[in-house]
Amino acid sequence: NAGVTQTPKFQVLKTGQSMTLQCAQDMNHNSMYWYRQDPGMGLRLIYYSASEGTTDKGEVPNGYNVSRLNKREFSLRLESAAPSQTSVYFCASSPQVPGNEKLFFGSGTQLSVL
Amino acid sequence: GEDVEQSLFLSVREGDSSVINCTYTDSSSTYLYWYKQEPGAGLQLLTYIFSNMDMKQDQRLTVLLNKKDKHLSLRIADTQTGDSAIYFCAESIGDTDKLIFGTGTRLQVFP
Repeated sequence: NAGVTQTPKFQVLKTGQSMTLQCAQDMNHNSMYWYRQDPGMGLRLIYYSASEGTTDKGEVPNGYNVSRLNKREFSLRLESAAPSQTSVYFCASSPQVPGNEKLFFGSGTQLSVL
Repeated sequence: GEDVEQSLFLSVREGDSSVINCTYTDSSSTYLYWYKQEPGAGLQLLTYIFSNMDMKQDQRLTVLLNKKDKHLSLRIADTQTGDSAIYFCAESIGDTDKLIFGTGTRLQVFP
């Protein structure tokens, strides 16, 4: 059982380049999330998807777009990368049991924007 | 807005107890959570407590909740080197399925 799988694990971009972070879960979860983790700031929610076909902005959505391709996959796209987007990105999913938001996390993508 | 605060570092000797503290702001949170992050890995759910409980014990872990002060703590008894990690508390936002995470507390266990 793979759980939540993220690719790539590491990426270096130049300012202005674009890329897509991929995430897939095999637990049949309804909800999926993208967080970024920065030193001293914990995890901040970028976007989330409560169900297939729906997406909503989180705390820090600027500079990102997402696609909930199907129930399994939720991708995060940086259209024009900026140094401020250097971070570790985590995808997560949850079964969306109301009031009990147990998140299952991927192992993260370390992104550096030069 | 919602805010979850934690101290950044805690250092303890192996075999001692560790207490990691957290304060939160959303009094309507149904559950409060503790997640553990080991180096180079994602977060894993460690334990959680329902908001109408004061305490929950799970083997070496004890969670205490003071709803009046919006204070949550995680006590790890007989701390081991394998407990070295970053610990995040998190609160749910009202009746949504979103979580707000604290800044994380890096626990270092020395022999």
